[in-house]
Amino acid sequence: DTAVSQTPKYLVTQMGNDKSIKCEQNLGHDTMYWYKQDSKKFLKIMFSYNNKELIINETVPNRFSPKSPDKAHLNLHINSLELGDSAVYFCASSNTRGLSNQPQHFGDGTRLSIL
Amino acid sequence: ELKVEQNPLFLSMQEGKNYTIYCNYSTTSDRLYWYRQDPGKSLESLFVLLSNGAVKQEGRLMASLDTKARLSTLHITAAVHDLSATYFCAVDIASGYALNFGKGTSLLVTP
Repeated sequence: DTAVSQTPKYLVTQMGNDKSIKCEQNLGHDTMYWYKQDSKKFLKIMFSYNNKELIINETVPNRFSPKSPDKAHLNLHINSLELGDSAVYFCASSNTRGLSNQPQHFGDGTRLSIL
Repeated sequence: ELKVEQNPLFLSMQEGKNYTIYCNYSTTSDRLYWYRQDPGKSLESLFVLLSNGAVKQEGRLMASLDTKARLSTLHITAAVHDLSATYFCAVDIASGYALNFGKGTSLLVTP
């Protein structure tokens, strides 16, 4: 009964390909996020969605397109993959109702390697 | 733009010793988080600090927040090897809709 689950865990592909990462949370949270962690372990917010509505889009290239079919799912599609996209992508979720004091819960990450 | 600075970035300490990790941030925020990450693993929430003067303790770790100084500390007491990990502080930058992370402190506890 994983709280935030991402698939796949590993993704190895060639430059120029298109790939998707899926994320699901069973915590009943209203907000979901995508973060990118680079090779130096630096974590940066990419997107956040609240009840399927895009709230944050942090200057991410248009090749990255998030989709939230419902508030328990947030998928990330990446077009025309580039070498610089190699990173670990973390999905997270939390409740933001009433400025909740709950932390964000993170998935296990998807390790994307571009050849 | 909010900056979150942690120091030190690397810390090697002996078992049984005490040490403090510092997290400074550049603009006002009322919520600060500490996370732990083991190599190749997810991020685990350690503490949520919500107000000035907040202090929380869990085992050998204690975190505090001074919003006036824009400073949080993570104090390690009598370190043990199991505490070896990377510790991140993160500041809420958008009313809960995004966290801005520090660069992390890689802690190695040696016998």
